[in-house]
Amino acid sequence: EADIYQTPRYLVIGTGKKITLECSQTMGHDKMYWYQQDPGMELHLIHYSYGVNSTEKGDLSSESTVSRIRTEHFPLTLESARPSHTSQYLCASSDGSLTDTQYFGPGTRLTVL
Amino acid sequence: GENVEQHPSTLSVQEGDSAVIKCTYSDSASNYFPWYKQELGKRPQLIIDIRSNVGEKKDQRIAVTLNKTAKHFSLHITETQPEDSAVYFCAASHPYGNNRLAFGKGNQVVVIP
Repeated sequence: EADIYQTPRYLVIGTGKKITLECSQTMGHDKMYWYQQDPGMELHLIHYSYGVNSTEKGDLSSESTVSRIRTEHFPLTLESARPSHTSQYLCASSDGSLTDTQYFGPGTRLTVL
Repeated sequence: GENVEQHPSTLSVQEGDSAVIKCTYSDSASNYFPWYKQELGKRPQLIIDIRSNVGEKKDQRIAVTLNKTAKHFSLHITETQPEDSAVYFCAASHPYGNNRLAFGKGNQVVVIP
């Protein structure tokens, strides 16, 4: 079944560690996005990509980086995690059509101690 | 860029009553308006959307209306049920912004049994 997947679903890690949050989609979508969201709160776009080798920073400044080497894969990396990075990270993708509806992954809940 | 605002931020309704959430947008070129529902601990999911060439769209107990002149669109939920309790996000996009969705901050809807 075509879907968007995120791993890990939950991550508790110490300050200073490097982490990579994985996002993969089997929907054949060109566009992918990363959002940061505190539970039940506003969605903040932190990165997006319109295709392979395309990455852009979003509306919210973030210390994370992303890469897009394959269409289906859009990992997010934090070089040195801090408690302020504690949040939920949602990955999304869209097909680039006229409506360009975004579909979300299940999210990764990150806690940095 | 596009700015989307949602009102009210929290809405409590008795089970069986109707709920209405209104969103306003700033860019008159916006032509696509989706609504997402996010239940506690889950991913945002598209529940209904409307394009600017129609004024209203219905799907069972939910409907969306669009007023292009006033630049606002509303989500209507009739005969509310406890499972309608969630955070609802509206969004808007237009083709000249690479179809990037601009999300509102979300409305918490609580259906009281």
